[in-house]
Amino acid sequence: GQNIDQPTEMTATEGAIVQINCTYQTSGFNGLFWYQQHAGEAPTFLSYNVLDGLEEKGRFSSFLSRSKGYSYLLLKELQMKDSASYLCAVREGVDYKLSFGAGTTVTVRA
Amino acid sequence: NAGVMQNPRHLVRRRGQEARLRCSPMKGHSHVYWYRQLPEEGLKFMVYLQKENIIDESGMPKERFSAEFPKEGPSILRIQQVVRGDSAAYFCASSPQGDTGELFFGEGSRLTVL
Repeated sequence: GQNIDQPTEMTATEGAIVQINCTYQTSGFNGLFWYQQHAGEAPTFLSYNVLDGLEEKGRFSSFLSRSKGYSYLLLKELQMKDSASYLCAVREGVDYKLSFGAGTTVTVRA
Repeated sequence: NAGVMQNPRHLVRRRGQEARLRCSPMKGHSHVYWYRQLPEEGLKFMVYLQKENIIDESGMPKERFSAEFPKEGPSILRIQQVVRGDSAAYFCASSPQGDTGELFFGEGSRLTVL
């Protein structure tokens, strides 16, 4: 099984940078995903890491260290529309099933 | 329309009634997953299906819940004799065969049990 931990809430100012950490314990690790979910909406895919290192995609970057069971999502140049819940998810094995953390609610203030 | 379609978006049932939630995966996707999300909690895996097969139902409650993905038509999550604790958002996701494993989610069906 998995044990996925991430902070419950974070607050930051518009234009700033926020880093959301995620730690996990799992066997048969086969990828880590970050999703964004606005209240009342579907989760949408942000990033995928399966090898150690940093993946950059515009204002969003995601980092993975498999040996430490650790990932972070970095949000730069925060905008008000980035206020949402950010979900860390881990895939085990090859059947595509994802196990999700409880999510981190990010509030961006003007 | 290329997205995962779920209906109904909102469903109200009284205790003891049945709830049926439908999910049509993205075109070309043969893998369907159902997740449940309670307020202030994360997405909890319920069941993983392929056409006409249940692959993994380890997250499904042992009683009252069932799921199917027939050869023709949408996947259906069925909850019999609903109780107040079943009130939640139920999300369906799909993925293509042989891809990187990203799941594409529908907008969810929000069940309220009175």
